[in-house]
Amino acid sequence: DAGVIQSPRHEVTEMGQEVTLRCKPISGHNSLFWYRQTMMRGLELLIYFNNNVPIDDSGMPEDRFSAKMPNASFSTLKIQPSEPRDSAVYFCASSFGQNTGELFFGEGSRLTVL
Amino acid sequence: AQKVTQAQTEISVVEKEDVTLDCVYETRDTTYYLFWYKQPPSGELVFLIRRNSFDEQNEISGRYSWNFQKSTSSFNFTITASQVVDSAVYFCALRGNNAGNMLTFGGGTRLMVKP
Repeated sequence: DAGVIQSPRHEVTEMGQEVTLRCKPISGHNSLFWYRQTMMRGLELLIYFNNNVPIDDSGMPEDRFSAKMPNASFSTLKIQPSEPRDSAVYFCASSFGQNTGELFFGEGSRLTVL
Repeated sequence: AQKVTQAQTEISVVEKEDVTLDCVYETRDTTYYLFWYKQPPSGELVFLIRRNSFDEQNEISGRYSWNFQKSTSSFNFTITASQVVDSAVYFCALRGNNAGNMLTFGGGTRLMVKP
């Protein structure tokens, strides 16, 4: 079975450019999460969707970050304009049900902003 | 507010040694769930175990065992007879009962098992 699929796996861009990260959750899962991992701050939850609806976006750093989930099988995380401090690994995760707590993670997208 | 603390940032052992990774948590919820995830060098996070706050029974799965102590708010993870393939970063995480599926992660413990 396919797991959570993220693209791109690696992205190097210059400051000021727009970055779009993509995620395809596991089929049938109805919750989707975007996490950011850095050495300094560890794993931080950015935003959480349930049934395609954003439930909690309090972790989104600022207005430069936006996330969408137009349907149950696709989500994007966009950074515009990107800054060097956005360099991190961005993970997408999905789960089934409201309270199982078992998140299945993608392999991550490593973003480097020069 | 929820918080998970993994005081050990890095542990190094020699193969076949036993090793315990500590996890201490804080929550005001009376019902909550605790998790351990493994992040191998390849980068993905792999689910290892979930434990709910009502169940303080310790659990063993092969060389892995978990010790849940509600009285000390700890959920420690022991690897018996460690192997090189156990080398990874291990994360402890907490979800409160009203948090949907939102997990609060600890800072992680990097385990290095040397041959």
